[in-house]
Amino acid sequence: SYELTQPPAVSVSPGQTASITCSGDALGDQFTCWYQQKPGQSPVVVIYQDTKRPSGIPERFSGSSSGNAATLTISGTQAMDEADYYCQAWDSSTVIFGGGTKLTVL
Amino acid sequence: QLQLQESGPGRVKPSETLSLTCSVSGGSISSRSYYWGWIRQPPGKGLEWIGSIYYSGGTYYNPSLKSRVTISVDTPKNQFSLNLKSMTAADTAVYYCASHYGSGSWENYYFDNWGQGTLVTVSS
Repeated sequence: SYELTQPPAVSVSPGQTASITCSGDALGDQFTCWYQQKPGQSPVVVIYQDTKRPSGIPERFSGSSSGNAATLTISGTQAMDEADYYCQAWDSSTVIFGGGTKLTVL
Repeated sequence: QLQLQESGPGRVKPSETLSLTCSVSGGSISSRSYYWGWIRQPPGKGLEWIGSIYYSGGTYYNPSLKSRVTISVDTPKNQFSLNLKSMTAADTAVYYCASHYGSGSWENYYFDNWGQGTLVTVSS
């Protein structure tokens, strides 16, 4: 079955840039979304259609896609950005989530 | 802004059927811009999509759950529901309902509003 692969954990210092990758065989042919989930809360979309940022999401969140990988970038990472991040894409009309990446802001 | 709220039992017994309802407020479930989805998350684990439904009744299901899942919509009540049969301990999870927004191709859609989630435990 189709899988989206994310690193289990990423660490970043406050004010630095964090990058979280999501790889999958068909990502180059479709859009990727990214969700942020803080402990005890519901997920929130931070990037959709590879690069678009919903209203209310800070500009420090950005997305990109190239080849079979998508990347979520957080510039000037803040302590409040510490959370789990999930990528989401598609496989034959099936919604697929990546395994999630725990972002730690040290 | 849409608001979604899950309701249903917090505990079901093995082999029983789980029935959950999602009530939508702040907008119409008949909106042509939305599908309506269910996603679950086992404790300490990642997200798993269960399925989504359009107001007209068209559905998409996760192939791994398709044989046990039915999602339906009740437009007069502005609600949609999930039935998951033959529950086992592996189905213990927080179940979320979410609005699935987009246009054009199904692959353009994304989950833009989520309910708070409801923990369902499978235990005798």
